[in-house]
Parts: sequence; C-alpha cells; structure tokens
Amino acid sequence: AQSVTQLDSQVPVFEEAPVELRCNYSSSVSVYLFWYVQYPNQGLQLLLKYLSGSTLVKGINGFEAEFNKSQTSFHLRKPSVHISDTAEYFCAVSEETSGSRLTFGEGTQLTVNP
Amino acid sequence: NAGVMQNPRHLVRRRGQEARLRCSPMKGHSHVYWYRQLPEEGLKFMVYLQKENIIDESGMPKERFSAEFPKEGPSILRIQQVVRGDSAAYFCASSPTLLGYNEQFFGPGTRLTVL
Repeated sequence: AQSVTQLDSQVPVFEEAPVELRCNYSSSVSVYLFWYVQYPNQGLQLLLKYLSGSTLVKGINGFEAEFNKSQTSFHLRKPSVHISDTAEYFCAVSEETSGSRLTFGEGTQLTVNP
Repeated sequence: NAGVMQNPRHLVRRRGQEARLRCSPMKGHSHVYWYRQLPEEGLKFMVYLQKENIIDESGMPKERFSAEFPKEGPSILRIQQVVRGDSAAYFCASSPTLLGYNEQFFGPGTRLTVL
C-alpha cells in the first residue's frame, strides 16, 4: 500500500520569498503524483501532477515540482510567494494498479506574511 | 460547465440522527469518490463508485456508513446514528475514467457537525 509523508505541517514565509514544501512517498509500484491546494472552507484544486516524462512539472500560479524517483520525493516549489498563496497544500499519490484512488499526505499550511 | 456540487454545505445533527450528503459529479463524469477530512488531518479515502456500482469501499467504516450512486440522480453518502467522532468535512470528487492519471475534481465539501 502506498503512503505519503509531508515533512512540514506549517511553513511561514515572508512575501516574495521562495518556498519549498516537502513530500515523500512510498509505494511498491509505479505511481502518479499530485499537489492540491485548499483555501479555507473550500474544496481542493489541482496545482500540478506528474504522470511520466520530464521530472520537472510546472503548474498553475507559478508553482512547480520535481519528481525524484531515487529519493521517492515530489517537493513543491515557488520562487516568489504572494499573500494569496496562503492555504493548505496536499501532496497525493495514486498507483497504476489501484485506479484513481488518491492517498493524501497530512497537509502543509503555508502562511505568507507581509 | 458546472463543477462538482455538494449539498448541503453545512449539516448539523444530534447524536443518533441520520446524515445524508449529496454529490453531483461534473457533467460527463461517471466516477465518484468520497473522502473524509477530520480536523487537522489530511483527506482519507472512503469509497469509489460508478453508476449503480460500488467499486472500492475499503475506506468505509464497517458500520453505519453506506454510499450509493444510482442510475439517475446524485451520489449519496449516508451515515446512520451519527456520533461526535463523525464530525468532519466530507469531500466528493469525480473523474471521467478510472485511470490513475486522471485528475479528480473536488466539490466544496459538506461540513458535518454532530452535537
């Protein structure tokens, strides 16, 4: 069975600073990887996904993530954050063999301060 | 093109009552997933349904919880005899196929409070 670990539960940063949200996964089979963002009292919105091919994936709102198979990581980055990026971020994985079922990490609360 | 719709958005029940949560998938999507988010936790998979079929219910509690996705109408997550521990946000997601690389589109959630 797959699992996802988000190493930081809270990440406070100042506006215009770079940020990295860390995600590690474990699985015995090939996986697809996703990052979702959740704004307060809302549902989840897809930021980006890795299916295959290039290990650097670009998403919406200036976010990108890099898949590292040897380290089983899929860290999310943004070079310069805005106040509006304050939200909860979830890393998720689905296995090729288990259909679309998603396994989520515990989430990272990103707080961007002025 | 409407997204995934869930209602009600907020639901308050007393212990022992029943809770019914509804989910209408995106147009053209025939696969529905239910997830539960307990306070301060990530989302946990509960059940995966296609029209008139439960495909995977491995995340559903064995008692009091049931789900359906009829041929016509929304998917329903039903919780009987609710307890305080059922208080959570319940999210529905839909996708066009069962393939793992498909994005799941999430609804806004139903926040259940059990008094």
